[in-house]
Amino acid sequence: QKEVEQNSGPLSVPEGAIASLNCTYSDRVSQSFFWYRQYSGKSPELIMSIYSNGDKEDGRFTAQLNKASQYVSLLIRDSQPSDSATYLCAVQTGANNLFFGTGTRLTVIP
Amino acid sequence: SQTIHQWPATLVQPVGSPLSLECTVEGTSNPNLYWYRQAAGRGLQLLFYSVGIGQISSEVPQNLSASRPQDRQFILSSKKLLLSDSGFYLCAWSGIGYEQYFGPGTRLTVT
Repeated sequence: QKEVEQNSGPLSVPEGAIASLNCTYSDRVSQSFFWYRQYSGKSPELIMSIYSNGDKEDGRFTAQLNKASQYVSLLIRDSQPSDSATYLCAVQTGANNLFFGTGTRLTVIP
Repeated sequence: SQTIHQWPATLVQPVGSPLSLECTVEGTSNPNLYWYRQAAGRGLQLLFYSVGIGQISSEVPQNLSASRPQDRQFILSSKKLLLSDSGFYLCAWSGIGYEQYFGPGTRLTVT
């Protein structure tokens, strides 16, 4: 059974702090990993992709991947109220598909 | 640039009625296309995916079906809706890589 697990939250951080979102996955052969942001009532939006072990930075976002531990994380620096959303972790499974976690709800408190 | 459209945006249908949701993609050729459902408070459930015209793979057996009559058109259908079919239906596309890009979604309420 391929699974992606995330803490459902809610995770609350003060404005300007670092938000840390975590994800574990069960399929050892997965090679591609993604983070999506979903505002309430809206569709998911791709914000980060990572394929190699280590860190990948894009603006205030950093994705971290550890394949040996089957662990992916997303760090959001200088969190803003506009970052308040549900963050979905997605893991490539099979030739064409992604398996999504249920998401972590983040609230940034002004 | 690529754009994905879905319609309608919202839909309220009685139990037992038929369903047709449409998704179209612009700005790309031969995309992989996907239908997901997101029930309230739950994760994304992959329903169908397609790698080409007329090629449909079903992930979950249920009263829904999908068709891809044109390269950039993906349709989700049902002959008779159930209460459990309520949810947020999302179409997505992917190209050469594994990144998937979602349309705006259709919120379906079955009454």
